[in-house]
This record gives sequence, structure tokens and C-alpha cells, in this order.
Amino acid sequence: QAVLTQPASLSASPGASASLTCTLRSGLNVGTYRIYWYQQKPGSPPQYLLRYKSDSDKQKPSGVPSRFSGSTDASANAGILLISGLQSEDEADYFCMIWHSSAWVFGGGTKLTVL
Amino acid sequence: QVQLQESGPGLVKPSETLSLNCTVSGASIGGYYWNWIRQPAGKGLEWVGLIYTSGSPNYNPSLKSRVTMSVDTSKKLLSLKLSSVTAADSAVYFCARGSGSYPYGMDAWGPGATVTVSS
Repeated sequence: QAVLTQPASLSASPGASASLTCTLRSGLNVGTYRIYWYQQKPGSPPQYLLRYKSDSDKQKPSGVPSRFSGSTDASANAGILLISGLQSEDEADYFCMIWHSSAWVFGGGTKLTVL
Repeated sequence: QVQLQESGPGLVKPSETLSLNCTVSGASIGGYYWNWIRQPAGKGLEWVGLIYTSGSPNYNPSLKSRVTMSVDTSKKLLSLKLSSVTAADSAVYFCARGSGSYPYGMDAWGPGATVTVSS
């Protein structure tokens, strides 16, 4: 079982909200990890969006729109990237990442389509 | 604002050693964790390893036997070597800076260097 699991794809309409999930493997507790989120558009490197562990432990670089926010769902053992007010420019691949067992681990990525 | 630029041969023969450099500009190289990440065409991201400017490198266990990373602080240059390559090592290779607070996730990435392993 992969350490981090992301849905392969997600579609949403412009103006709507999209919740991208990053589910941790059974036995790992989402509440103990800082989860990093990246956006990647074709032909470009990943761009750092934000880091989230809790409302008191989160960080987002300046320049990242307020439409992007993080949260967790303890019942699902998942990190969540919420994108509100979807725009066509948000169409991209999104990756989550954690530091686990002295190594960086990436989720498989979610391709977000805005249509 | 930090800028990273990967460079190196775009074509490597099977069984040979892949060598890439990453030039850091616009910021100091000291005090940060420097990572290499790769991405096969159309696939996800795989962490290769990291190196701190003073300390031992940390490699992905699946690649550890073939990877060597180094840093030249005077030249602000990072280096990656991957030995005994196969077609499975064909990918875009990114260098990225880890910063902030523990565990120092990547906040800046280079544009990437495409490496193809083929005879």
C-alpha cells in the first residue's frame, strides 16, 4: 500500500470549489505530519502552494492566492487541498508530500480539470 | 530570489553514470537542504535524495546504492551522480531547495533537466 494516495483525476466547474485529498496509509496518523502541496503545469516544475498540519501549524508563501487552503480530515486520515472559486488557470497536476522515515514521499498526483 | 538551473548530458548510455549539476543563484547556498527529484515522462515525482551544506547526504533507499550527491559551496554548485543507469532512470531531474522549518520542504525548484538513457 502506498504511503500517500491521491485520486488520479478530478473535474470541477469554473467558480466551484475542489477538494483534493491525500490519504495516508493505514498506521500513519495525518495529525502528525506536515503535508506539503505542489501545483505542476505541463512543461513546468512543481510550484510550492502551502504546508498544512493544523490551523496553528500551517504556512503559505506570499503570492499564492487565498483561494488555496489546506486542511485535514482525521476520520479519513487525509490531508486536503481546497481550491475555491476555481479558475481555468487552476487546471494542473497537484502533488502532496510528507517526510516519512527519513525520506520525502510524494503522492501519485491528481490531475485537476476545470471545465 | 533564488534561482536554480540544472545542467548535464541529455543522453546517457545504459550501464554508464548519469551526471548532473545544479547552479544556485540569487541566494546563499549555505543553511539549506538541497534536494534532487525526478519525474519520468507522464508520471509522478520521485525523491532521489538531499544534501545539507554541512552534513551527510540522505538518499532514497531504492536508489541509495547508485546515488552520490555533493555540494561545492564556493561555486554554489550541486552535483548528482547516478551509476549503472537503465532506461528506467530516464526522467526529468529537478533540483530543489528545502527551507523553512523542519522537515524543510521544497520551496524553490529548477526548471528540470531531461535525461534519456539509451544506446
